[in-house]
Amino acid sequence: DAGVIQSPRHEVTEMGQEVTLRCKPISGHNSLFWYRQTMMRGLELLIYFNNNVPIDDSGMPEDRFSAKMPNASFSTLKIQPSEPRDSAVYFCASRPDRGLYFGPGTRLTVT
Amino acid sequence: GESVGLHLPTLSVQEGDNSIINCAYSNSASDYFIWYKQESGKGPQFIIDIRSNMDKRQGQRVTVLLNKTVKHLSLQIAATQPGDSAVYFCAEMYGNKLVFGAGTILRVKS
Repeated sequence: DAGVIQSPRHEVTEMGQEVTLRCKPISGHNSLFWYRQTMMRGLELLIYFNNNVPIDDSGMPEDRFSAKMPNASFSTLKIQPSEPRDSAVYFCASRPDRGLYFGPGTRLTVT
Repeated sequence: GESVGLHLPTLSVQEGDNSIINCAYSNSASDYFIWYKQESGKGPQFIIDIRSNMDKRQGQRVTVLLNKTVKHLSLQIAATQPGDSAVYFCAEMYGNKLVFGAGTILRVKS
């Protein structure tokens, strides 16, 4: 099993640009989570999906952030427009009956 | 301006000794707990979990203890090895939300 796959692994962009992060969960896992990790705030839950449906997006910082899960094998997290304070590592994770398995993360730098 | 990050507690242990990492969780309704290990540049890695109807669970070289009375979780690592050096997070789940603690840095001295 390849585990949770995220792309790109690194993204450097200028303030104001649109950023799209991608995630492929582990096959058969019915829940998908997006987290953000920073030195200031640690690991924060942004949004999670159950059976492709967004269940709780209360952690999404503001309207500039949006997430979709068009099918069971793909999700995106979009930031439009990006700002320097969005710089962080963004993790996608998927869940079977127990546990939560993380991808390698996307390190985003907004200059 | 200068940024202030989270100040993570650090546990330094000698190689071969046992390590105990502690965690206080916040929600008495949490019914499932997981310990994660995160190495530099990698995502959190699942170590061991425990449901709230148990107070102890053992894995390979690791044991998790749960004390619901005081909302306390601990991770014991036996015969700590240099490869155990990492940041360790406890996480509590209520509903379908997994919420992470701030983490503890484990440093293993050879």
